[in-house]
Amino acid sequence: AQSVTQLGSHVSVSEGALVLLRCNYSSSVPPYLFWYVQYPNQGLQLLLKYTTGATLVKGINGFEAEFKKSETSFHLTKPSAHMSDAAEYFCAVRDNQAGTALIFGKGTTLSVSS
Amino acid sequence: KAGVTQTPRYLIKTRGQQVTLSCSPISGHRSVSWYQQTPGQGLQFLFEYFSETQRNKGNFPGRFSGRQFSNSRSEMNVSTLELGDSALYLCASSAGPVRETQYFGPGTRLLVL
Repeated sequence: AQSVTQLGSHVSVSEGALVLLRCNYSSSVPPYLFWYVQYPNQGLQLLLKYTTGATLVKGINGFEAEFKKSETSFHLTKPSAHMSDAAEYFCAVRDNQAGTALIFGKGTTLSVSS
Repeated sequence: KAGVTQTPRYLIKTRGQQVTLSCSPISGHRSVSWYQQTPGQGLQFLFEYFSETQRNKGNFPGRFSGRQFSNSRSEMNVSTLELGDSALYLCASSAGPVRETQYFGPGTRLLVL
């Protein structure tokens, strides 16, 4: 069965510092991978996705993620954190042969201090 | 293009009642999926509809049901509400099944007393 593990339920950084949110997945077939962000009292907003092709994926708001098959990882990074990046981030995987259901990690709350 | 809309945004019910939540997908999208979000269990898949047919179902009891109309709008129903059904219910739409990206609505927050 597919699963997603997000290491660290809470990450704190200073404004301007590097953001690194970790995601590892398990899948028996090449997966589709996603990062979503959720602000308080809102739904999920797609940050970026990996389907096929280039393993370094660029998303919105300066975020990017790299698909590393050998490490079964899809970590999210941003070179310089901004106060507005404070939110909860979810990594998700989908078995593109088994339907559309997304399997989500437990989420990582990002705090940004000035 | 308008995003996914969900109504109502907030709802308070008592145990034993039933509730119906509504989701209008992005114009042109034919697939609608529902997810439940709770602090304890996180985000869990409920079911997915495409062209008025349920294509996929998560591991939830039969009290949870849904349907999709010819205009792609979807409703989910929860009967005999339990305290544990308190959650944020998220709807996501996509252009088609399987390979398309899902776009989420703001959710309906249900509180069961």
